[in-house]
This record gives sequence, structure tokens and C-alpha cells, in this order.
Amino acid sequence: DADVTQTPRNRITKTGKRIMLECSQTKGHDRMYWYRQDPGLGLRLIYYSFDVKDINKGEISDGYSVSRQAQAKFSLSLESAIPNQTALYFCATSDLQGRDEQFFGPGTRLTVL
Amino acid sequence: DQQVKQNSPSLSVQEGRISILNCDYTNSMFDYFLWYKKYPAEGPTFLISISSIKDKNEDGRFTVFLNKSAKHLSLHIVPSQPGDSAVYFCAASAASGGSYIPTFGRGTSLIVHP
Repeated sequence: DADVTQTPRNRITKTGKRIMLECSQTKGHDRMYWYRQDPGLGLRLIYYSFDVKDINKGEISDGYSVSRQAQAKFSLSLESAIPNQTALYFCATSDLQGRDEQFFGPGTRLTVL
Repeated sequence: DQQVKQNSPSLSVQEGRISILNCDYTNSMFDYFLWYKKYPAEGPTFLISISSIKDKNEDGRFTVFLNKSAKHLSLHIVPSQPGDSAVYFCAASAASGGSYIPTFGRGTSLIVHP
């Protein structure tokens, strides 16, 4: 089984709808991250969490919110989706030090019409 | 302003030849660098890393070179194989309050032709 899973894998929604993307991990890592990838723009950090009680904004947090329900679960919400939030979303984890590699989920392709 | 730049969006190489992917950074506080590889419909996977105390790190066919004075690193793949065709992301991090949050470049798409 995959160490980092994301649900759903694909989602099409309409402008103004609320949507939640979920991430679960079995690696036992404390640190979790949400990124979005847009063509030609690489990976941009939305939010990150160092533990259940620690949530931090990343580079592009506007329009998004997160919830760290448990060490293993980190969800990303779009309260009112807009078309320019159409992107590929990745969840990632890393160990306590954070210096080493991140482990990424398979991604969620979100389309906002 | 981009702190990590991968100025070549794409690179095409023949199988068996060397692939050289380049990355430049502007933040002199960056002291740890990583390369990730991404296949379509998959998440990025870690490939190789290098600390700023080194100028070279090698892992099989993959070697990363770091030139701190030029704020430049490169990934060499020798010999290149068709299975290496993927998008490669360069990432850099610096200690910030004891944390290391990486900054990613925009990626270079490598195509290795048989």
C-alpha cells in the first residue's frame, strides 16, 4: 500500500462550491504539506503543519484552509472554489527534522468550472 | 521573485548520452539541495540531495554538483535511459527557526530518445 494517499484522485466541481481534499499517511511523519502544481510554475506551497497543533501558511494560502485531524491526516479545503484553483494538488510528508526528502502522494487533479 | 530557477523547461537527449539539468538559486542562506523526479500521474519522488558542505554527491548514474560561489547546481545522468524521461524538480532549503521548508524550481522536462 502507498505510504501517502490522497482522495479523491480527480474532481470536477463548479465555481462557488466547497471542496475538501484529503491526505493520509502511514509513514509516521510529523510534518505534512500541501502543494499545488500548475503548468510551468512548479510546486508551490499552500500550507504546512509540523504537528497536530501547528499549522502554517505557505506561499499561496489565500482561498484555502487546512485541518490536521490527526498525525496521519491533513485535509485541504477550498471554501468557495474558483476557476484559477484548477490545478494538480499534492500532499507530502517529511520527518521531524524536515531537512531530508519529502514523500509525496499521487496527487489530486482538481478542475473548477 | 523566483529563488530557485530552472531556466530550461525541457531537454532532449539520446539514450546512452549524458543529461545535464541545471538549477540556479538566489538565496545565499540555502544550504541543502534536492532533486526530485516526477512521472505523469504520479507524485514527485526524491532522487538525490547535497549539502552545502559538499560540492559533489553521487548515486549510481546520478551525480549532483554544487557550485556555491555561482549559486548553481547541476544534475548529471550518465548514461541516460528512456526510463529517465520525466520532469525533474530542483529544490533548496534553509534553516528557518529550526525548520527546513524547501523552495522548488519550475521543473525541467527530460526526454530521452531511444
